[in-house]
Amino acid sequence: AQTVTQSQPEMSVQEAETVTLSCTYDTSESDYYLFWYKQPPSRQMILVIRQEAYKQQNATENRFSVNFQKAAKSFSLKISDSQLGDAAMYFCALLSNDYKLSFGAGTTVTVRA
Amino acid sequence: GAGVSQSPSNKVTEKGKDVELRCDPISGHTALYWYRQSLGQGLEFLIYFQGNSAPDKSGLPSDRFSAERTGGSVSTLTIQRTQQEDSAVYLCASSPGLAKNIQYFGAGTRLSVL
Repeated sequence: AQTVTQSQPEMSVQEAETVTLSCTYDTSESDYYLFWYKQPPSRQMILVIRQEAYKQQNATENRFSVNFQKAAKSFSLKISDSQLGDAAMYFCALLSNDYKLSFGAGTTVTVRA
Repeated sequence: GAGVSQSPSNKVTEKGKDVELRCDPISGHTALYWYRQSLGQGLEFLIYFQGNSAPDKSGLPSDRFSAERTGGSVSTLTIQRTQQEDSAVYLCASSPGLAKNIQYFGAGTRLSVL
């Protein structure tokens, strides 16, 4: 069984500043993918970034980057130069050989103008 | 359409009634997934379909829940004799296949059982 833990229910960041969201996971498999999804009030789950476990290089996508520590089973998301449109709930998720996404509880990000 | 489409967007029903939720996946995507998002349980997997293979129903919470996918495209999630604990957002996702692909989500159906 896979578990994903997000220990920060809420995070607040000043516009243009940086915020880091934490995620830890547990799986017995060696081949898996990790994702960060964003869910604004519209409910649409939007993919932010993806990391393949076999890749050592951390994924980046514009202002979004991850710190993937495979041995520690840690997968944090850094949002740089935060914008008002970044305000949403962020979910960390793991996809392994059972093809089912396992999600964390989510972190609500508030951006202060 | 360009994305995953779900209908209705919101559904209010009375306890004991049956409801049907619809999902139209991205054209060409062979895998389709249903998830439930509730306050108490967070996001949880319900069922997935891949092509003509038998679906993986391991996440369905009770036999009141069922789903079908006709013609390898549109899927319907049916909840019979709804209970208040069924109140949640039901999310559908699709992907090009069952490999570790990105799952693209619809905007969900918010179900409220009174």
